[in-house]
Amino acid sequence: SSELTQDPAVSVALGQTVRITCQGDSLRSYYASWYQQKPGQAPVLVIYGKNNRPSGIPDRFSGSSSGNTASLTITGAQAEDEADYYCNSRDSSGNRVVFGGGTKLTVL
Amino acid sequence: QVQLQQWGAGLLKPSETLSLTCAVYGGSFSGYYWSWIRQPPGKGLEWIGEINHSGSTNYNPSLKSRVTISVDTSKNQFSLKLSSVTAADTAVYYCARGLENSYGYPIPRPYYYMDVWGKGTTVTVSS
Repeated sequence: SSELTQDPAVSVALGQTVRITCQGDSLRSYYASWYQQKPGQAPVLVIYGKNNRPSGIPDRFSGSSSGNTASLTITGAQAEDEADYYCNSRDSSGNRVVFGGGTKLTVL
Repeated sequence: QVQLQQWGAGLLKPSETLSLTCAVYGGSFSGYYWSWIRQPPGKGLEWIGEINHSGSTNYNPSLKSRVTISVDTSKNQFSLKLSSVTAADTAVYYCARGLENSYGYPIPRPYYYMDVWGKGTTVTVSS
């Protein structure tokens, strides 16, 4: 079981905004990072820190945090955003790394 | 641009030891955490463990008794050994580079992320 909890599946209409959430005690201390994974590919970092995007990640991806919940928001979802999304942080002890169970995003 | 190239045996029998290596090209080895992550078919990501350049390790408690992660700084490589494998260890195994930093004032808030990943190695355990 994950110490970070995500909804298993979320859907969004093309061009609309979607928020994917991640809950866990460690998120009261750590900012979450977010990864996008498409079938047959390795995960790709899309958000890290307070709200940072690696080079090449579109600015429609953003991150936020409140209490024990981190959120990944996609503003104006595109067909190519359909993927699995995972949140990640260290655990509360700081000695382990934990992942959320993943959210499958469907773009309708 | 940093790249991770990983390799190792892809088919094992139950009770054998899984052995994978990840080489780091195009960047520094020090100052980072080097992790192994796995993903069983149709399931999510599971962190296995990490090592830094000085050899300090952290492991997932659920796998700790069977896992050894080691580093060879002379070759910019790190390796994973998982003993006594069973069918439950069948997965795609990834290596990744991890970083820690912090942001905010007056009390900086830490964050951890994995910015570079290997392509993955499919490991199947079957008799």
